[in-house]
Amino acid sequence: EAQLVESGGGLVQPGGSLRLSCATAGFTFSSFWMNWVRQIPGKGLEWVANINQDESEKNYVDSVEGRFAISRDNAKNSLYLQMNSLRAEDTAVYYCAGGYSRRSWFEPWGQGTLVTVSS
Amino acid sequence: DIQMTQSPSSLSASVGDRVAITCRASQNIATYLNWYQQKPGKAPKLLIYIASSLQRGVPSRFSGSGSGTDFTLTISSLQPEDIATYYCQQSYIIPITFGQGTRLEIK
Repeated sequence: EAQLVESGGGLVQPGGSLRLSCATAGFTFSSFWMNWVRQIPGKGLEWVANINQDESEKNYVDSVEGRFAISRDNAKNSLYLQMNSLRAEDTAVYYCAGGYSRRSWFEPWGQGTLVTVSS
Repeated sequence: DIQMTQSPSSLSASVGDRVAITCRASQNIATYLNWYQQKPGKAPKLLIYIASSLQRGVPSRFSGSGSGTDFTLTISSLQPEDIATYYCQQSYIIPITFGQGTRLEIK
């Protein structure tokens, strides 16, 4: 059974940085596209970024372009999201999720990690 | 960006009812449409992919249909455990976008 465990969330001041990690097991991580999806508490889902298997393609939603950076380490079966210049509107639960291709559905999902940007 | 619009935003139905949730894309997405169920405090769970394919392990009372711009998620006989928020998602073009969600309640 696939397992994805996010970590690295917490409270950070506006303008600060945070690095999220997603440790995976139980599936062939190196064969999957990987995604970050966020959800403001009580609100809907927003796709944030994705990355292909060899890191040759990375895509971002406009609101995080230039501030966030997605990366992966296939040797460690792990996905990362470096978040810089954080804003209050980045406050959300961040989920990592896998996909078979660029146009794939998302499965499996992690349980999420909460990022709170506040002074 | 492709806008995904779900209707209704909330829905109250009785156990055993047939329930339908619709999702409209702002442009043609072929069948690159997926449906998720989310319960409070939990991650989304994939129900339907490529518009009409049932994810392994999902009860057969769930079904999906549609292509192009108009899609429907149907629950043939509502069960108490189906209480959740449902989201559609287009995976045709970056940025990937979700509908705003449909909250399903038991009457």
